[in-house]
Amino acid sequence: KNEVEQSPQNLTAQEGEFITINCSYSVGISALHWLQQHPGGGIVSLFMLSSGKKKHGRLIATINIQEKHSSLHITASHPRDSAVYICAADGGATNKLIFGTGTLLAVQP
Amino acid sequence: DTGVSQNPRHKITKRGQNVTFRCDPISEHNRLYWYRQTLGQGPEFLTYFQNEAQLEKSRLLSDRFSAERPKGSFSTLEIQRTEQGDSAMYLCASSLSGEGNGYTFGSGTRLTVV
Repeated sequence: KNEVEQSPQNLTAQEGEFITINCSYSVGISALHWLQQHPGGGIVSLFMLSSGKKKHGRLIATINIQEKHSSLHITASHPRDSAVYICAADGGATNKLIFGTGTLLAVQP
Repeated sequence: DTGVSQNPRHKITKRGQNVTFRCDPISEHNRLYWYRQTLGQGPEFLTYFQNEAQLEKSRLLSDRFSAERPKGSFSTLEIQRTEQGDSAMYLCASSLSGEGNGYTFGSGTRLTVV
């Protein structure tokens, strides 16, 4: 069992739909990261959470420390949101990340 | 500062050749990380530096791999006697030590060993 697991692995949505991607982790963390990766490889940091909820534009990230679970929500999805979304656990002392395998999101017009 | 810069973006090499990649982190970031990502998988940790000291190496980093950060600024990752299994995206990231400081990733170097 991976230390960081995401679901679903693949997600296809219609433009405008509300999207949820889930992440569960089994390690102790100081923070949980949500990242976006477009074809070609570059990774962009979306959120870093240690508790509660954060919002940026149409993106919302939540974390439940007791349940070791985090979710990334996209409201009013758009084709430009199509990418791989990755959650990663930050164990703290060295800040090295343990990554999930990613969720490939395709938003169709 | 233009973020984390990695060079080259793409590298195609023949099996058995040596390759070297470079990462220039954000100048004030004292921590630098190398990760490797194969197709369809999330990145995996390879090694990490705090300033010029290499503080942790993954067991994934065989003796054919070596990384340096000689002056605590840019870093190089060298792979000797490349094998087809080394084909992957090599990602560099930097951060400032301390809680609450985020990561900045480079665009990666895609290595193809033929």
